[in-house]
Amino acid sequence: EIVLTQSPDFQSVTPNEKVTITCRASQSVGNGLHWYQQRPDQSPKLLIKYASQTFSGVPSRFSGSGSGTDFTLTINSLEPEDSATYYCHQSSALPRTFGQGTKVEIK
Amino acid sequence: QVQLVQSGGGLVKPGESLRVSCAASGFIFEDYYMTWIRQAPGKGLEWLSHISTTSEFTKYADSVKGRFTVSRDNAKNSLFLQMNNLKTEDTAVYYCARGTLELDYWGQGTLVTVSP
Repeated sequence: EIVLTQSPDFQSVTPNEKVTITCRASQSVGNGLHWYQQRPDQSPKLLIKYASQTFSGVPSRFSGSGSGTDFTLTINSLEPEDSATYYCHQSSALPRTFGQGTKVEIK
Repeated sequence: QVQLVQSGGGLVKPGESLRVSCAASGFIFEDYYMTWIRQAPGKGLEWLSHISTTSEFTKYADSVKGRFTVSRDNAKNSLFLQMNNLKTEDTAVYYCARGTLELDYWGQGTLVTVSP
């Protein structure tokens, strides 16, 4: 199965700061890589699909890039409501897999 | 609007069975693959299974293969996960989600606790 490794595991940032989360795949997933946000005690929500397409209704401060094995989720100008855990997910192969998650805390 | 409303979680003993359900509305259910994902307490997301639009194709994670069965009733816009021979390590919040590539809408989750 394809292993997705996110870094960092945890990040503490101040409001308005820029956040960068990376996701590395153990083999190429093409652009079949998606990002989700999970706030505490909530279901995950789709942020970015196919590496760089922002999902409907997602604020423009969220963006994604990458292809193949290396991907990045960027949050420009962090807002307090962005405190959450972020997961990458690949749909290139079965079984589908998720990264271990990156927790973003607001200082 | 798209809604996925889950039901059927609870507390069971090891070896017992449970079925969780996911009622869909706000979209043409029969047009979409559906997926089950779970999250153990304090842990990350684990993909479990998906089912094709006509139920012709199903796929399972190794951790649940042979014990869990995914099914759907397109006439009732409903998705199911039948869980047999439950183990303590199956304790988790179970989510249904629309799609098999990007998972664009998720249910609210239902807690399944397996404890002696």
